[in-house]
Amino acid sequence: DAMVIQNPRYQVTQFGKPVTLSCSQTLNHNVMYWYQQKSSQAPKLLFHYYDKDFNNEADTPDNFQSRRPNTSFCFLDIRSPGLGDAAMYLCATSRDFSGEETQYFGPGTRLLVL
Amino acid sequence: GENVEQHPSTLSVQEGDSAVIKCTYSDSASNYFPWYKQELGKRPQLIIDIRSNVGEKKDQRIAVTLNKTAKHFSLHITETQPEDSAVYFCAAPKETSGSRLTFGEGTQLTVNP
Repeated sequence: DAMVIQNPRYQVTQFGKPVTLSCSQTLNHNVMYWYQQKSSQAPKLLFHYYDKDFNNEADTPDNFQSRRPNTSFCFLDIRSPGLGDAAMYLCATSRDFSGEETQYFGPGTRLLVL
Repeated sequence: GENVEQHPSTLSVQEGDSAVIKCTYSDSASNYFPWYKQELGKRPQLIIDIRSNVGEKKDQRIAVTLNKTAKHFSLHITETQPEDSAVYFCAAPKETSGSRLTFGEGTQLTVNP
C-alpha cells in the first residue's frame, strides 16, 4: 500500500511558469520534507514541516515555497522555474523529529523545464 | 552542521563477492545513521540503519558497523546479487536535536553476473 504518494510523477513546465507539486501521506506522520535531487547527486533538503511549523534550509532559493494545509498533504510551489530547477523532487515523512527517526520517501516527481 | 563523506563513488563486484561502502561524519554527537538504496528512477528506500548504542547491526546479507571514536560507519553486503546494483546513500543527522539528514554523495554499486 502506498504510504507517501506524489503527484504527478512527471511534470513538464515552461521557463518562468509557476508549478505545484503535491505530496500526501497515509502514515499520519508529524514531519514532512521536500528534497531536490539532480542527476547523479544526493538528495538535497529544501525545507520541512514539523506539524504546521515551516522550516527553510538556509540555501533554499526564494523561488521555492511550500504549504501544508493539513497533516496529510504538503505542496511544493516553484514560482518561476528556471532550467536549473529541472530535477527529481522527493517528498519524505517521519513520525517525529527526535533525531533518530526513519524517513520514508515518496516515488518522486520528475520536473522538466522547457 | 554535519558533513558526510562517502567512498567509493563507484564500486563494481562480481556476483557472490562482498561489497563495502564507507562513510565518515563530522559531528561526534550524531547518533543515527541510515543507509538508503536507490534504483534508477525510483525512490530512496531505507535498507538498514544503526543507532549509536550499538556497534553492528545485521539483516540477512546486509550489515552496518559503526565506530563512534573514529566517526565512521560502513555498509557491508555479502553474497552480492545483480539486483543489489543501485546507488547507495549513507546519511547522518544535520543536528542532534532534529531529524534533518545530510546525505553522502552516493556509491554506484554494480554487481556483474
